[in-house]
Amino acid sequence: DTGVSQDPRHKITKRGQNVTFRCDPISEHNRLYWYRQTLGQGPEFLTYFQNEAQLEKSRLLSDRFSAERPKGSFSTLEIQRTEQGDSAMYLCASSLEGGSEKLFFGSGTQLSVL
Amino acid sequence: AQSVTQLGSHVSVSEGALVLLRCNYSSSVPPYLFWYVQYPNQGLQLLLKYTSAATLVKGINGFEAEFKKSETSFHLTKPSAHMSDAAEYFCAVRTKAAGNKLTFGGGTRVLVKP
Repeated sequence: DTGVSQDPRHKITKRGQNVTFRCDPISEHNRLYWYRQTLGQGPEFLTYFQNEAQLEKSRLLSDRFSAERPKGSFSTLEIQRTEQGDSAMYLCASSLEGGSEKLFFGSGTQLSVL
Repeated sequence: AQSVTQLGSHVSVSEGALVLLRCNYSSSVPPYLFWYVQYPNQGLQLLLKYTSAATLVKGINGFEAEFKKSETSFHLTKPSAHMSDAAEYFCAVRTKAAGNKLTFGGGTRVLVKP
C-alpha cells in the first residue's frame, strides 16, 4: 500500500492559463474521488469515478473543469482558463466500493491563481 | 439531502484534558458517519467510522465517538489530550440515497496547550 499520490504538490499559475493535476490511487481501488478544499472549509465533492466511468459530477464543477480516468487507474483533473476563485487545495481519494467504504486521501495539490 | 454541522471552528484544550468535538448531521435515511483528521500539509486520515453496528465507535489514537440517533449527533471525544492531537478534524456523512460522495462539515481546529 503505497498510498494515494498527487502531482504536483503546488502549482502557481496566472489567471487564464490551463492547469492539469494528476492522481495515482491505491492500485487495487476501483473508485476515485476529487474534492476541493478552501482555507477554513471542509472538502467539497467535485466528481468521482468507478473504474473508468465518471458516475457523478457536482454542480460546483463548471464547464472549465474536466476529469478523466482513461484506464481506470490514474486520473487527471484539468482546469481551463483558470480564475482566482479556483485557488484551493485539490484533494484526490480512492477506495474499494462498499457500504461503508473507507476513503484514502492524497496530500493534495495546492493551486494558486495570480 | 445530507449535511453535517460542526459546532466550533476552533477548540483549545490543555494537555491531559478532555477533547470534545461536536458534530450534528442531517439525513433522511440511515447514515454512515466518519471522523477524519488532517495534520498540516497532509491528506485526511480516517479516525473512525459508524456503520450501524455498535453506537459507540472506537478509533485510532484513543479517539471514540458515539452515534445518537435521537440527537442526530456523532460527537468525537478523547479522554486526555496530547500535544500530537493538534490538527483539524472533520466530521463527514455518507448515505446511499446521496450516492457515494462524502459530505464534510466545516472542520474544527484543535489547539493543545502545554
